[in-house]
Amino acid sequence: AQRVTQPEKLLSVFKGAPVELKCNYSYSGSPELFWYVQYSRQRLQLLLRHISRESIKGFTADLNKGETSFHLKKPFAQEEDSAMYYCALHTGGFKTIFGAGTRLFVKA
Amino acid sequence: SQTIHQWPATLVQPVGSPLSLECTVEGTSNPNLYWYRQAAGRGLQLLFYSVGIGQISSEVPQNLSASRPQDRQFILSSKKLLLSDSGFYLCAWSVRWQYNSPLHFGNGTRLTVT
Repeated sequence: AQRVTQPEKLLSVFKGAPVELKCNYSYSGSPELFWYVQYSRQRLQLLLRHISRESIKGFTADLNKGETSFHLKKPFAQEEDSAMYYCALHTGGFKTIFGAGTRLFVKA
Repeated sequence: SQTIHQWPATLVQPVGSPLSLECTVEGTSNPNLYWYRQAAGRGLQLLFYSVGIGQISSEVPQNLSASRPQDRQFILSSKKLLLSDSGFYLCAWSVRWQYNSPLHFGNGTRLTVT
């Protein structure tokens, strides 16, 4: 079955601390993974995608096919990183499956 | 640049009333269009997607339907709303025929069925 699991509903860290938002997926094909973010009062938007191997706003995510994971990381969290984060799996065709989301709260 | 408009932003409707949510995309042609429902703690659930005018695929059997009367217009409808239809509805588009095209979301509609 195709599934995306984000085990943490809420993650609270202090400003300047490292942050890791976990994402695990289940998919028999070659996965294409994304992280989307929703800041307060803003629309849901793409943060990064694994195929680009990019760093956006200091965030990176590495696809680990052996562990079927795509964790989102940032070495030093900022208050403006507080948001809802969704991991998403594109299964080919037209379907993108989302995880339940993790709310990140960065404390001053 | 491409933009997506979704309205209304909020809607309160009584049980049994009809529903029509509209979504339009500007600045692109032949987009794939989607309706998602966002539930707290449950992520986004794909309801419908469309790859062209009049072409609708349903992912979840339910009380809702979708239509695409024009290339860049996507409508979510119901003839008779249920309490369980309450939720946050998101319209999105992606580039057709571009593998791994990310989704671009509208601002969403908060629907409350009373």
